[in-house]
Amino acid sequence: EIVMTQSPATLSVSPGERATLSCRASQSVSSNLAWYQQKPGQAPRLLIYGASTRATGIPARFSGSGSGTEFTLTISSLQSEDFAVYYCQQYNNWPPLTFGPGTKVDIK
Amino acid sequence: EVQLVESGGGLVQPGRSLRLSCTASGFTFGDYAMSWVRQAPGKGLEWVGFIRSKAYGGTTEYAASVKGRFTISRDDSKSIAYLQMNSLKTEDTAVYYCTRSPGDDYLDYWGQGTLVTVSS
Repeated sequence: EIVMTQSPATLSVSPGERATLSCRASQSVSSNLAWYQQKPGQAPRLLIYGASTRATGIPARFSGSGSGTEFTLTISSLQSEDFAVYYCQQYNNWPPLTFGPGTKVDIK
Repeated sequence: EVQLVESGGGLVQPGRSLRLSCTASGFTFGDYAMSWVRQAPGKGLEWVGFIRSKAYGGTTEYAASVKGRFTISRDDSKSIAYLQMNSLKTEDTAVYYCTRSPGDDYLDYWGQGTLVTVSS
């Protein structure tokens, strides 16, 4: 089973600032990585797939990069609606599909 | 507009069964794989299982934690996916999300979730 880790667990950022979230896989997942956003009381929403392709309707301030075992989600200028928990997920080698534990982005 | 609506959640005693339904609309249901993902209270996301489209054999995959107890099926004529949960345990308590997959990959649409509470 591929284990996904994320850092930091919590990221405190001021509105308008840049946020950089990291995700690491225990073995290579190529570019088969997705990022999801979950706001309190809501279902997760797909942000990024293929490590760097934005999903339909996702603003350009969200970008993904990386391949192999190291990945990054960058939010270029945080808006109030971006404060949420972000999960990465690999789909290269499964079952099982595996998620990271999440990074909570909160207001500084 | 793609919509996935889960139903069937509720309070159930340990050892009992429950069946969740996911009613889909806004897309050709039979063309897509469907997954179930759960989230225990205050915890992260856990993949439960997956069913491929008929074009890919309609085969299923399950997480080790539910294999042998949970069964996923689909009725393409009704655009519904099911999660049959047997021998429920207290650790199965979670919000269960129905999701759509373009293939053997990421989860591009999610339902709003249905809460399953396993308690005596």
